Amino acid sequence: NAGVTQTPKFQVLKTGQSMTLQCAQDMNHEYMSWYRQDPGMGLRLIHYSVGAGITDQGEVPNGYNVSRSTTEDFPLRLLSAAPSQTSVYFCATADRPNYGYTFGSGTRLTVV
Amino acid sequence: SQQGEEDPQALSIQEGENATMNCSYKTSINNLQWYRQNSGRGLVHLILIRSNEREKHSGRLRVTLDTSKKSSSLLITASRAADTASYFCATDKAGTYKYIFGTGTRLKVLA
Repeated sequence: NAGVTQTPKFQVLKTGQSMTLQCAQDMNHEYMSWYRQDPGMGLRLIHYSVGAGITDQGEVPNGYNVSRSTTEDFPLRLLSAAPSQTSVYFCATADRPNYGYTFGSGTRLTVV
Repeated sequence: SQQGEEDPQALSIQEGENATMNCSYKTSINNLQWYRQNSGRGLVHLILIRSNEREKHSGRLRVTLDTSKKSSSLLITASRAADTASYFCATDKAGTYKYIFGTGTRLKVLA
């Protein structure tokens, strides 16, 4: 039982490159979300999903895409990386939207 | 904009003392949660309090919720060095599935 697995743990991108951050969970949780954490800013919600095939925007969705084709996976795509997207990205899941989250260990992304 | 704001931003206490941190939010909520984050790691869920509850306990943690003032407090009793971490509140906007986090309180417990 791995919980929430995020890959990669570290990544350096050049401006304009694209990449996908992976999030996989084995708890059969319906609710999944992506946050970014910047120093002094707390966590900001990027996108979230309440079940397979359903996604919605959070506070800061610009520059990111998501899809939810299965219950287990919720990848986050950076379309054209910018230095402003340098951050730590966390995936979080919950059995239901109004329950406590389980967080992944994060992906530290640097865009140069 | 942040839904929740923690206060104080930073707190330093001696081991054995109690630590209190507060969270204020802006809109009606279904529930409020508190999380702990050790440096460089993912967040860990501590406690959830629903909008129709006023107080909740879990071990050395006590959470209160005042929906009329749109505020919550987290009390850690008999603090330990291992409690050193950042603490965040998270609220959902009523009627949505969006959980918004505050900016956190950095707690340092001195041995």
